[in-house]
Amino acid sequence: QSALTQPPSVSGSPGQSVTISCTGTSSDFSTYNRVSWYQLPPGTAPKLMIYEVSNRPSGVPDRFSGSKSGSTASLTISGLQAEDEADYYCSSYTSSSTWVFGGGTKLTVL
Amino acid sequence: HVQLVQSGAEVKKPGASVKVSCKASGYTFTGYNMHWVRQAPGQGLEWMGWINPNTGGTNYAQKFQGRVTMTRDTSISTAYMELSRLRSDDTAVYYCARRLTYHMDVWGKGTTVTVSS
Repeated sequence: QSALTQPPSVSGSPGQSVTISCTGTSSDFSTYNRVSWYQLPPGTAPKLMIYEVSNRPSGVPDRFSGSKSGSTASLTISGLQAEDEADYYCSSYTSSSTWVFGGGTKLTVL
Repeated sequence: HVQLVQSGAEVKKPGASVKVSCKASGYTFTGYNMHWVRQAPGQGLEWMGWINPNTGGTNYAQKFQGRVTMTRDTSISTAYMELSRLRSDDTAVYYCARRLTYHMDVWGKGTTVTVSS
């Protein structure tokens, strides 16, 4: 069982916004901004989408945004596009210098 | 251009070991820790551990302690992940990924390891 809980699936129509949540149980998760988000399109390697809660690497569209409140981090995708259909994973660094991933969320663009 | 190139697919029998390589280019290999992450069929991402290519220091996920060994060869900018006593549930795609502060910014394309008798 993952220490980070994500919904198994979310869906939205093109142009809409969707939000994927990631809930952590450790005090590390709530206290520190060490959450990142990864996109896994089918059959391809993971891609970093958001780091340290809300920072976007260069090349990631500004339709992707991240936030955190208490023990829940969120990834919001606005202006949904067909190419956004993929699995999304949150991840968090822990104080024991280990990492943990959420169980993943399948985004379906209707 | 930062790139991680992984070795090719492997098929192993239960009980055997597998060693996956990850060759880095486009940056100073010893300047960044390297993570290993796997994804079993139909499952999520699972963090396995990291290696500090400069010191050789490692930190493994508790689940893999005693079965995984991460090493590196700085002369050829290559990291290795060896998993021993393979079981069928070790069948997965294994990724290397570069650590940048608290996230993984560049990933290899993955190495498929199939464990089957």
